[in-house]
Amino acid sequence: SQTIHQWPATLVQPVGSPLSLECTVEGTSNPNLYWYRQAAGRGLQLLFYSVGIGQISSEVPQNLSASRPQDRQFILSSKKLLLSDSGFYLCAWSAGGTSFTDTQYFGPGTRLTVL
Amino acid sequence: AQSVTQLDSHVSVSEGTPVLLRCNYSSSYSPSLFWYVQHPNKGLQLLLKYTSAATLVKGINGFEAEFKKSETSFHLTKPSAHMSDAAEYFCVVSGAGRRALTFGSGTRLQVQP
Repeated sequence: SQTIHQWPATLVQPVGSPLSLECTVEGTSNPNLYWYRQAAGRGLQLLFYSVGIGQISSEVPQNLSASRPQDRQFILSSKKLLLSDSGFYLCAWSAGGTSFTDTQYFGPGTRLTVL
Repeated sequence: AQSVTQLDSHVSVSEGTPVLLRCNYSSSYSPSLFWYVQHPNKGLQLLLKYTSAATLVKGINGFEAEFKKSETSFHLTKPSAHMSDAAEYFCVVSGAGRRALTFGSGTRLQVQP
């Protein structure tokens, strides 16, 4: 079966510091991968999605970036965090390529607090 | 473009009574519709998915949803609430190209003993 991991689970960072959040998927190959942010009391906002290694689409302009160095690894980064980057970050996957479906499965999330 | 409106931000029921979480959607094509549940500080878990095979969709944990095209609704129901059902519920519609999901703002379900 497929599983999705995210780490760290929680993170407290000062303003202006860098960020690296990691997401990995097991049990599937060539998945579509997604990064969402959930701000307090709000719905989910899609930040990035990827259909393959090195292929990243950005949905919202911001100081965050994403990379996909391996088929089942998705990384969310920032060079300098802002207070507004605080939130709950969720990674998700869906079957990709010729097996594409629109059903997305979510990881456990990372709680980021920027002070 | 597609959109989702969850009509109640907060619903409170007593344990053992029925649950109704309301969702209306707007889409220019035939979308997939989903309900996800999120417990505090956890990821989202898929409850059920509608893909036009049947208008009444059964999901996990006793939940079901009925797709009504004439009303553009996809309400989530459960005959008898359990304390463990207390969580945030999101109604979701697939986007153009079906890669992007559009989320409703969520409904927080509170279950009273």
